[in-house]
Amino acid sequence: AQSVAQPEDQVNVAEGNPLTVKCTYSVSGNPYLFWYVQYPNRGLQFLLKYITGDNLVKGSYGFEAEFNKSQTSFHLKKPSALVSDSALYFCAVRDSASYKYIFGTGTRLKVLA
Amino acid sequence: EAGVAQSPRYKIIEKRQSVAFWCNPISGHATLYWYQQILGQGPKLLIQFQNNGVVDDSQLPKDRFSAERLKGVDSTLKIQPAKLEDSAVYLCASSSGGYNSPLHFGNGTRLTVT
Repeated sequence: AQSVAQPEDQVNVAEGNPLTVKCTYSVSGNPYLFWYVQYPNRGLQFLLKYITGDNLVKGSYGFEAEFNKSQTSFHLKKPSALVSDSALYFCAVRDSASYKYIFGTGTRLKVLA
Repeated sequence: EAGVAQSPRYKIIEKRQSVAFWCNPISGHATLYWYQQILGQGPKLLIQFQNNGVVDDSQLPKDRFSAERLKGVDSTLKIQPAKLEDSAVYLCASSSGGYNSPLHFGNGTRLTVT
């Protein structure tokens, strides 16, 4: 069965420090992986996606994500966090064997000044 | 391009009343989704349309929820009668339909059932 897990409910990081938000997935076919961000009282906004090719994917607002097939992970990273990055982050996966688009439970990122 | 439009933004109703939400997707997007997001949780798919046909409604509580997408463009989600546990944000999203296509979300409708 297709699933995605975000093991941390919240991640705290100091402004200027690197950040990582973790995501692991399980699919039966080839994975299509996505990260979204949600600000208060807003819908989800697309950040980046992995299809095939380079394992390091670059996206919006300086975010990038590292795909690791052996660990079935797709962690979101940013070299230097900003206070304005504080938001709720969702990992999502789509299985090539299915049309379903599944979201994780979300990780709240708090960047401290 | 114009984004996904949803209305209303907020709705407060009493239990057992009915409510309807409207969504207008991005022009040309064939796939439309309705998600329910309960506070502190990830979005849960209620129904997915491809043009005006239903692709997946396996998690839609069909005894009280209904949705339609007439003419394959805008869509309406209805709850009748509402329960307290239906309090959530209802998000509409659309995509061009390919496997690698991201979803584009509206700002959602926050429903409070009292």
